[in-house]
Amino acid sequence: GAGVSQSPRYKVAKRGQDVALRCDPISGHVSLFWYQQALGQGPEFLTYFQNEAQLDKSGLPSDRFFAERPEGSVSTLKIQRTQQEDSAVYLCASSLALGGRGDEKLFFGSGTQLSVL
Amino acid sequence: DAKTTQPPSMDCAEGRAANLPCNHSTISGNEYVYWYRQIHSQGPQYIIHGLKNNETNEMASLIITEDRKSSTLILPHATLRDTAVYYCIVRETSGGSYIPTFGRGTSLIVHP
Repeated sequence: GAGVSQSPRYKVAKRGQDVALRCDPISGHVSLFWYQQALGQGPEFLTYFQNEAQLDKSGLPSDRFFAERPEGSVSTLKIQRTQQEDSAVYLCASSLALGGRGDEKLFFGSGTQLSVL
Repeated sequence: DAKTTQPPSMDCAEGRAANLPCNHSTISGNEYVYWYRQIHSQGPQYIIHGLKNNETNEMASLIITEDRKSSTLILPHATLRDTAVYYCIVRETSGGSYIPTFGRGTSLIVHP
């Protein structure tokens, strides 16, 4: 079966543009996570969904960042009025079980590399 | 902040065992230790996880100390394709959800 799919693979935006990044999790996976990874750093948590409910958005760096998962499957991360500091790889991960358990593994997509000029 | 500490880099000769250490001295009783690795331009890939007992699968072995304050990931016969950044994480609780928190990991270079 297909793994976690993210699109686009690369995105170049001019400063001030809005962007939308898509994540297709593995079918049937309940939990979905978004991470931001700057060059040379580990992934930083942004937000977490359990089905369509956004249970944790504590990692979103500003109100320019917005994520949704309206039908509990595909998720979109939107960044408004992009800034140069938003340049990073945005990773999506999904897992089968509910997020309240500590013993489920994450499956990651290959990420979207966003460059803001 | 990540709850784990790892050396920033290590190297290993091809065919030899790679032993990657991780300190997690503040781990609580119900938190699992997970290992992931990230090869350049890809997302992290799950390797193994454990709670108290040592674990082994087709990729690696995980040795957890009795006090659970540290662990070691063992790649028994490292190959060039094992060159990657290895992340040791513990599953934290945040508002009832377990949020995996990554540090900077260990960059492992396997050389011929």
